[in-house]
Amino acid sequence: GAVVSQHPSRVICKSGTSVKIECRSLDFQATTMFWYRQFPKQSLMLMATSNEGSKATYEQGVEKDKFLINHASLTLSTLTVTSAHPEDSSFYICSARAVGVAKNIQYFGAGTRLSVL
Amino acid sequence: AQSVTQPDIHITVSEGASLELRCNYSYGATPYLFWYVQSPGQGLQLLLKYFSGDTLVQGIKGFEAEFKRSQSSFNLRKPSVHWSDAAEYFCAVYRGSTLGRLYFGRGTQLTVWP
Repeated sequence: GAVVSQHPSRVICKSGTSVKIECRSLDFQATTMFWYRQFPKQSLMLMATSNEGSKATYEQGVEKDKFLINHASLTLSTLTVTSAHPEDSSFYICSARAVGVAKNIQYFGAGTRLSVL
Repeated sequence: AQSVTQPDIHITVSEGASLELRCNYSYGATPYLFWYVQSPGQGLQLLLKYFSGDTLVQGIKGFEAEFKRSQSSFNLRKPSVHWSDAAEYFCAVYRGSTLGRLYFGRGTQLTVWP
């Protein structure tokens, strides 16, 4: 089956520092990757959609300069939380949409727990 | 407008009992429908999907779901629940956008009593 690797699974950082989260599709090519944020006991909130080789599309209310997304290849997208603050602490999940037959299916990474001190 | 509604925030069942999780969607055409499961601190795993054809779809872990166009529903069922099924379940809809966005319900937390 399609596997999406997300790294790191957990990160603790000091306020003001930047954190990069990687999302890799291991056994398929992903034209589109999605970044979500999930608050405790809530559903997923889509932050942005990234397409390989083009600028990400951010959802309303998501700061582009705060959450930098790069989708440099068909298997890798990164989310960088810049100048992180405690309110950025959350669970971040990526997903990837496969090219080809299963193109309407999103496969999810295991998530990254970010804690900003 | 709410695209996906999961009316039950929390459901508790005894192990071995049957389960039905409800999902309703609002969309003019027939969307693509998905059920995902999330264990604590984990990402989402695809249980099953409906694109077209047979309205009763089988998934992994013994789950099935039935698409009912007249009711705009896609309820998830399992005849006999196991303790390991305790998790959060999300219904999702793909409405045909070019970006491939999914719309998620708020989730249903399943607790299984031994």
